[in-house]
Amino acid sequence: NAGVTQTPKFQVLKTGQSMTLQCAQDMNHNSMYWYRQDPGMGLRLIYYSASEGTTDKGEVPNGYNVSRLNKREFSLRLESAAPSQTSVYFCASSERVLSYGYTFGSGTRLTVV
Amino acid sequence: AQSVAQPEDQVNVAEGNPLTVKCTYSVSGNPYLFWYVQYPNRGLQFLLKYITGDNLVKGSYGFEAEFNKSQTSFHLKKPSALVSDSALYFCAVRDDDYGGSQGNLIFGKGTKLSVKP
Repeated sequence: NAGVTQTPKFQVLKTGQSMTLQCAQDMNHNSMYWYRQDPGMGLRLIYYSASEGTTDKGEVPNGYNVSRLNKREFSLRLESAAPSQTSVYFCASSERVLSYGYTFGSGTRLTVV
Repeated sequence: AQSVAQPEDQVNVAEGNPLTVKCTYSVSGNPYLFWYVQYPNRGLQFLLKYITGDNLVKGSYGFEAEFNKSQTSFHLKKPSALVSDSALYFCAVRDDDYGGSQGNLIFGKGTKLSVKP
C-alpha cells in the first residue's frame, strides 16, 4: 500500500545509546518531516527536508540529526539518547502542503531508560 | 509566528448528538487551516482543510469545519456523533517559518473526543 513506512514501531534504549529511526515514502513526495508527539504538547517539528539533498532544523532539533538518503528515505538519528527523548516519533511527507496536507507514518514509540 | 490553540483537552458527547471541537488560530497572513484525526496507535489522518472560499468546509467521515475570520476560529463539527468517532483531533495551521517554500504545519495540542453509546 502506498504511504509512509516507519521502522521500528517500538524501541527501548538505555541512556547514552544511539539509534536511527527509518522512514520511507513511496508517493514521490518532495518534502519530508520528523515530528515528536508528547502528551499535552501536540506535535513538534524536529527536522524537515524540503527536497532531496536539503535538510533543516525545526522547532526542537537539539539531540537529533537527520539524513535525506534519497527522495524516498529520511532518517532520524539519536546519537546519545536521553530520557527527555522518550516520545512518539512521526515521519510525514508532502507534495503540496496546501493541496494535500501531510501523509503520516504510523509512528515509532521510543522509551529511553 | 503562526499558532493554533485547542482550548479543550477533552470533549464528551453522546452518540447521535452533534459535536464541536474548538480551534482558534493566530496568523500574520492568510490562514491555511487543517484538521487531522488520530486513532489509537496510528498516525494522523487528514480530515479537511480551509485554504480559501466557502467558510463551511466539508471533509471525510461526515465532518465539517466552519471558518470564522472575525473570531479567528476553525471549529470542527459533525451533526450526529458516532462511537467510532472517538479519537484525538488536531487542528493545524501552515507556518512559513520552517519547511522551505511549502511551509510546514504547526499543530495544536489535540482534543480527545469521547463518544458514549
